[in-house]
Amino acid sequence: GDSVTQMEGPVTLSEEAFLTINCTYTATGYPSLFWYVQYPGEGLQLLLKATKADDKGSNKGFEATYRKETTSFHLEKGSVQVSDSAVYFCARTEGAQKLVFGQGTRLTINP
Amino acid sequence: DVKVTQSSRYLVKRTGEKVFLECVQDMDHENMFWYRQDPGLGLRLIYFSYDVKMKEKGDIPEGYSVSREKKERFSLILESASTNQTSMYLCASRDGGGETQYFGPGTRLLVL
Repeated sequence: GDSVTQMEGPVTLSEEAFLTINCTYTATGYPSLFWYVQYPGEGLQLLLKATKADDKGSNKGFEATYRKETTSFHLEKGSVQVSDSAVYFCARTEGAQKLVFGQGTRLTINP
Repeated sequence: DVKVTQSSRYLVKRTGEKVFLECVQDMDHENMFWYRQDPGLGLRLIYFSYDVKMKEKGDIPEGYSVSREKKERFSLILESASTNQTSMYLCASRDGGGETQYFGPGTRLLVL
């Protein structure tokens, strides 16, 4: 069935490093794509989204571009901070009602 | 500001107990969802509701039921809790015309 695959974690980086978290999806149509973030002890919150091919979502210095040709939506940030430590989930819409989530990638940023 | 609240942050129950997890949203959203979150498995959809008294099974409904008597409230029920239902449970809501889901803080349930 349709799915979302994220790069395995955990990922550990030093402050100010460049971040990429890979996400690929399978889909029969043209889903909308999302990155959600879960800070320690909290629920998920939307980080960014893109609704069609070549759209770029951005928020808080994070970016992701909807690549239909490679069925990817990789998350990037040029200079990470300790406060970016969290679990990141890639997701896609399924039909009109549901979201399908990847397994999550735990990111730890060391000072 | 969007607000989804869950009745408990942490819950400890015994095997065989009936467990109620409550979720309330204040955004007048039509759609509400219950997920469980387990390490390495991401979020898996248990049930969702697209209107009052309406419900649909998600990917892992076995051992769970739900109730939506009012638009703002969506309850998840574990009829007879088992140890393999130890997990983090997340509630979400969504406006009928939108795609973004808004999540509550989660309930961490431990079944002994």
